Amino acid sequence: DAGVIQSPRHEVTEMGQEVTLRCKPISGHDYLFWYRQTMMRGLELLIYFNNNVPIDDSGMPEDRFSAKMPNASFSTLKIQPSEPRDSAVYFCASSRLALRYQETQYFGPGTRLLVL
Amino acid sequence: QKEVEQDPGPLSVPEGAIVSLNCTYSNSAFQYFMWYRQYSRKGPELLMYTYSSGNKEDGRFTAQVDKSSKYISLFIRDSQPSDSATYLCAMSKANAGGTSYGKLTFGQGTILTVHP
Repeated sequence: DAGVIQSPRHEVTEMGQEVTLRCKPISGHDYLFWYRQTMMRGLELLIYFNNNVPIDDSGMPEDRFSAKMPNASFSTLKIQPSEPRDSAVYFCASSRLALRYQETQYFGPGTRLLVL
Repeated sequence: QKEVEQDPGPLSVPEGAIVSLNCTYSNSAFQYFMWYRQYSRKGPELLMYTYSSGNKEDGRFTAQVDKSSKYISLFIRDSQPSDSATYLCAMSKANAGGTSYGKLTFGQGTILTVHP
């Protein structure tokens, strides 16, 4: 399997611009997670989906952030308008239906976002 | 106060040393405990997985969970330069049936360097 695929791998943009991050989960996985990682705050869960439905978006920092999962093989995280404090590495992860004693989230390589 | 606390280090040890990594947590609802390893500029990957209390061993790695103290540990025996990475503890809650909700709360991560 190709693993979780994220694009772009790097993004540099100017403050105020719209940023769209993309994720293709592992085929057959029911859960999809979006995380943000910074030196100051570590790895934070932003939102996660189960069977394409958003389950918990309590980690989404502001209304400027939105996430969608139109089908089982694609998800987007959008920031509009972007701000310098959004600079971070954004990870997408996926997992199968949670089973007792078997819970593994597979992470993508991440998108490094720099907002100038 | 964060739900999961982890000393960010950095920790530097000579090759062959025993490494001890620790996390404390405040929420007694956590039932699943994991250790992820993250190499530089990569996504985290699952290293060890434990449900509830007890020990688990896998090769040179041993994970311990002490729920009474809300304390988890990862031991690395005979550490190797290839073990140099950031180690993240992660935890999740479970429903009444014992199934994980899938939502992970991560520690800050400990940066480990094993020098030859």
